[in-house]
Amino acid sequence: EPEVTQTPSHQVTQMGQEVILRCVPISNHLYFYWYRQILGQKVEFLVSFYNNEISEKSEIFDDQFSVERPDGSNFTLKIRSTKLEDSAMYFCAPVREGEYTEAFFGQGTRLTVV
Amino acid sequence: AQKITQTQPGMFVQEKEAVTLDCTYDTSDPSYGLFWYKQPSSGEMIFLIYQGSYDQQNATEGRYSLNFQKARKSANLVISASQLGDSAMYFCAMRGNQFYFGTGTSLTVIP
Repeated sequence: EPEVTQTPSHQVTQMGQEVILRCVPISNHLYFYWYRQILGQKVEFLVSFYNNEISEKSEIFDDQFSVERPDGSNFTLKIRSTKLEDSAMYFCAPVREGEYTEAFFGQGTRLTVV
Repeated sequence: AQKITQTQPGMFVQEKEAVTLDCTYDTSDPSYGLFWYKQPSSGEMIFLIYQGSYDQQNATEGRYSLNFQKARKSANLVISASQLGDSAMYFCAMRGNQFYFGTGTSLTVIP
């Protein structure tokens, strides 16, 4: 059983539109990380979320990005005005409290900006 | 600064043979974790194996083993008895306050 489910699995959006990517954990996840992977490139850290607050963010995570936990369980990554270069695979990675020896990623959302 | 280096962009291995994928890292943290992930063409990131910096023994998970040489700062992945389904991208990663990933190695298993 997967630790986390990401929706949608694939989204195509027009440049300038807002997108919301969702991450649904099973339970007991304390930390949440978001990563992106531009096609053919390495995985890059975006933001970490702990106890309903951003604990760290990279320089990629500019004002166009935001993260929330709107209903106390799901985690969302919002891109306000998408650009062509936002096209990538987006992964969420939850970490349960006290567990540091495993790190499961969601299956990813493939975002295509046209 | 933390850094992960994978110097093999592509590797080929004959089915049923063993293969070693290289990974070196750099960190000043005394405590860290090293991970390997498999990414098939479908795109998901599959966790394979973990090695803690203080672990005395090399980690093993089925056909996967991690050759951890702390003094050399290397954490190579060994896949034994390669299968056609092992063909994928493989990423080495290090966890500090976030994950730092290498650029990956594309493994192709030849029948």
